[in-house]
Amino acid sequence: DTGVSQDPRHKITKRGQNVTFRCDPISEHNRLYWYRQTLGQGPEFLTYFQNEAQLEKSRLLSDRFSAERPKGSFSTLEIQRTEQGDSAMYLCASSDIRDSPLHFGNGTRLTVT
Amino acid sequence: EDQVTQSPEALRLQEGESSSLNCSYTVSGLRGLFWYRQDPGKGPEFLFTLYSAGEEKEKERLKATLTKKESFLHITAPKPEDSATYLCAVQWNSGYALNFGKGTSLLVTP
Repeated sequence: DTGVSQDPRHKITKRGQNVTFRCDPISEHNRLYWYRQTLGQGPEFLTYFQNEAQLEKSRLLSDRFSAERPKGSFSTLEIQRTEQGDSAMYLCASSDIRDSPLHFGNGTRLTVT
Repeated sequence: EDQVTQSPEALRLQEGESSSLNCSYTVSGLRGLFWYRQDPGKGPEFLFTLYSAGEEKEKERLKATLTKKESFLHITAPKPEDSATYLCAVQWNSGYALNFGKGTSLLVTP
């Protein structure tokens, strides 16, 4: 399978703990996106990378959130001092050129207790 | 602020009963409109991209159309396996992100 891969699929953490998610995009894709989705809502944009450069960040991305894509391949999304409101599905997507569709992974479901 | 609105929020159809889903957007430099299907616990799966008013795309029982202010996803003679949430997303000229609506949850019963 050469689709977008996300790890872990599920994460349960206690409030105040830090968590990190990983995304491996489709290999030839240089554009990578992070989204967050809560129940009954559409995905909400968090941040965008072109190669290793983070070119766009949403106002949703508070100071507790940080994303990296150090070598322009895989990406990590870290949430520090998690809060219950962070509970959501975190989706990663990749694409090759600007007008091409985004290809999504199956997400990491985060539950903060 | 640019917005993407989908209606209805939920739709229940009997197998074979055709219908349409709507996606409306504020007119502000549309670069492309995308339709996705999402099954429970999975990421969105790409269906269509539309770029200009009057454009149409078809795939099996689905047909997407675009006007200057809205898009329709027509479902002809749906089957139970078409049950899913259908998401519409817009890319503006001013940014890189796709901006999603809340989706339409479709249930097709036998």
